[in-house]
Amino acid sequence: GESVGLHLPTLSVQEGDNSIINCAYSNSASDYFIWYKQESGKGPQFIIDIRSNMDKRQGQRVTVLLNKTVKHLSLQIAATQPGDSAVYFCAENIGETSGSRLTFGEGTQLTVNP
Amino acid sequence: GAGVSQSPSNKVTEKGKDVELRCDPISGHTALYWYRQSLGQGLEFLIYFQGNSAPDKSGLPSDRFSAERTGGSVSTLTIQRTQQEDSAVYLCASSLATAMSNQPQHFGDGTRLSIL
Repeated sequence: GESVGLHLPTLSVQEGDNSIINCAYSNSASDYFIWYKQESGKGPQFIIDIRSNMDKRQGQRVTVLLNKTVKHLSLQIAATQPGDSAVYFCAENIGETSGSRLTFGEGTQLTVNP
Repeated sequence: GAGVSQSPSNKVTEKGKDVELRCDPISGHTALYWYRQSLGQGLEFLIYFQGNSAPDKSGLPSDRFSAERTGGSVSTLTIQRTQQEDSAVYLCASSLATAMSNQPQHFGDGTRLSIL
């Protein structure tokens, strides 16, 4: 399954499928991006980050892709599991240190069906 | 190791009362942030502390909101004369702040504030 930017805030996939969550960011000066996972009643949990000098970064079952030309960020989750069900936020940061604020997208609700 | 700790986890108060929310950052993290999250929304930046520098207060929505960070560690967010629109989850985050590279912000589980 695939979501299209922030205009489709929900994504439903079958267990074992791959998920793709998209995010369009607004500031071309942003140079650091983070994906967070937020479960109900919890704070956002760091998943993976990427700096603007990279196009792709892989973690455990997750891959983040960055396309600076069109200011687009995506999170790919391989072999999605029920425990992946949560709201996923992308966040952008301006500046070369973490001292700047994070600007968050509106989030995508991922539901994994067993 | 211990993560970011926030207290109380829930706070219900009457309109017009003052509230104080507390954040204990991860040990050794010099940067501390406050955000607000309304129901079903993304996070809204409020204020940022970095070491001994003057805080970035540009996200505070009104002069009823203030925050301090004593001793470079624990922070308190104070909301005076609370209004119903202040109802939200208030999230605190901390990070290692270096001049060399970005570091992710790590969040607590927030304080859910309800104004009656």
